[in-house]
Amino acid sequence: EIVLTQSPGTLSLSPGERATLSCRASQSISSNYLAWYQQKPGQAPRLLIYGASSRATGIPDRFSGSGSGTDFSLTISRVEPEDFAVYYCQQYGTSYSFGQGTKLEIK
Amino acid sequence: QVQLVESGGGVVQPEKSLRLSCAASGFTFSTYAIHWVRQAPGKGLEWVAVVSYDGDNKYYAHSVRGRFTISRDNSKNTLYLQMNSLRAEDTAVYYCAKSWSGSYIAPFDSWGQGTLVSVSS
Repeated sequence: EIVLTQSPGTLSLSPGERATLSCRASQSISSNYLAWYQQKPGQAPRLLIYGASSRATGIPDRFSGSGSGTDFSLTISRVEPEDFAVYYCQQYGTSYSFGQGTKLEIK
Repeated sequence: QVQLVESGGGVVQPEKSLRLSCAASGFTFSTYAIHWVRQAPGKGLEWVAVVSYDGDNKYYAHSVRGRFTISRDNSKNTLYLQMNSLRAEDTAVYYCAKSWSGSYIAPFDSWGQGTLVSVSS
């Protein structure tokens, strides 16, 4: 099983700041089959990024993904008030697994 | 638009059974793999199971293998999860989630709102 470790656990930022979230895999993820999801309280997760760097339909371009192999990141160029949420990475190349999540909170 | 609506959750005693359903609309249900994903209260996401577009292939997480069965009825656009021998650690919100493509190797692009299963005596 591929274990995904996200850091930091909590990220405290002010609106307008840049956010960088990390996701590290216990082994290389084939063909960059890595996705990022956003989840707000009481809501289902929403797909943001797939294939490590491709934005899903309707996702603003302030969200970007990068990385390969075992190290991936999600960047929000300028955090908007609606971006405060929990973010999960997921690998879907070898079965499926999720990271434990990073909470982006208002500073 | 794509809509997934889960139902069937509730409070159940340990070792009992429960069947969840997920009604789909807004897309050609019979051409996509569909997953169950769960989230324990205050915790992260855990993938549970997936069924192929035609129902012929099914895969499970280790934690539920042998106890849970995923199935689908393409004539009714409905996904199921039969949960047997339930344990306290199965307590969670259960989401159905649509694969982005007909392949298993795809992210989950649409999710239902979830149904809560609580296992308690």
